[in-house]
Amino acid sequence: AQSVTQLDSQVPVFEEAPVELRCNYSSSVSVYLFWYVQYPNQGLQLLLKYLSGSTLVESINGFEAEFNKSQTSFHLRKPSVHISDTAEYFCAVTGTASKLTFGTGTRLQVTL
Amino acid sequence: DVKVTQSSRYLVKRTGEKVFLECVQDMDHENMFWYRQDPGLGLRLIYFSYDVKMKEKGDIPEGYSVSREKKERFSLILESASTNQTSMYLCASSLRGPYYGYTFGSGTRLTVV
Repeated sequence: AQSVTQLDSQVPVFEEAPVELRCNYSSSVSVYLFWYVQYPNQGLQLLLKYLSGSTLVESINGFEAEFNKSQTSFHLRKPSVHISDTAEYFCAVTGTASKLTFGTGTRLQVTL
Repeated sequence: DVKVTQSSRYLVKRTGEKVFLECVQDMDHENMFWYRQDPGLGLRLIYFSYDVKMKEKGDIPEGYSVSREKKERFSLILESASTNQTSMYLCASSLRGPYYGYTFGSGTRLTVV
């Protein structure tokens, strides 16, 4: 079985500052890792995913995440955030099945 | 554009009512899922289905049932709604296998009074 821990429930940050949202996972098998974003009053959208190969994966809107097997982490980063990045971010993990296990989410609040 | 459509955006029901939440996907996905989302608890899996007429319990199935008579439709049923089932309900679908992730619907915010 897998589990995901998102230690930060809320992360306040000023616009144009860098941000890191932390995600740690636990699994006894090989994992596939995902980050989803949920804007206010919407469903979740896939932001990026790690399946294999390069440990650094990027999204189209400037986010990146690095898979670190030794630290069992998949932290999400952005070098400069924008007001429009305000949302809730969920980390998720799966093994060989299709079923995802989600973390409890991190609310990113970007202010001027 | 591929979609997962949930029939209602907001729903208010009375305690004891039987409630149906409908979800339809147009992507020919094999897998479908129902989650509920509550502040501080993240997403918790209620039921999922890997094929037509097939269902499996998730982490919190008590008080819920599901139906999947057609591949594109997955219904969540609250047999007798209670106030502790007030929540945001999210439907998702995916292709078979761990590589694809989910496509989510916009959610149904259910209030039981």
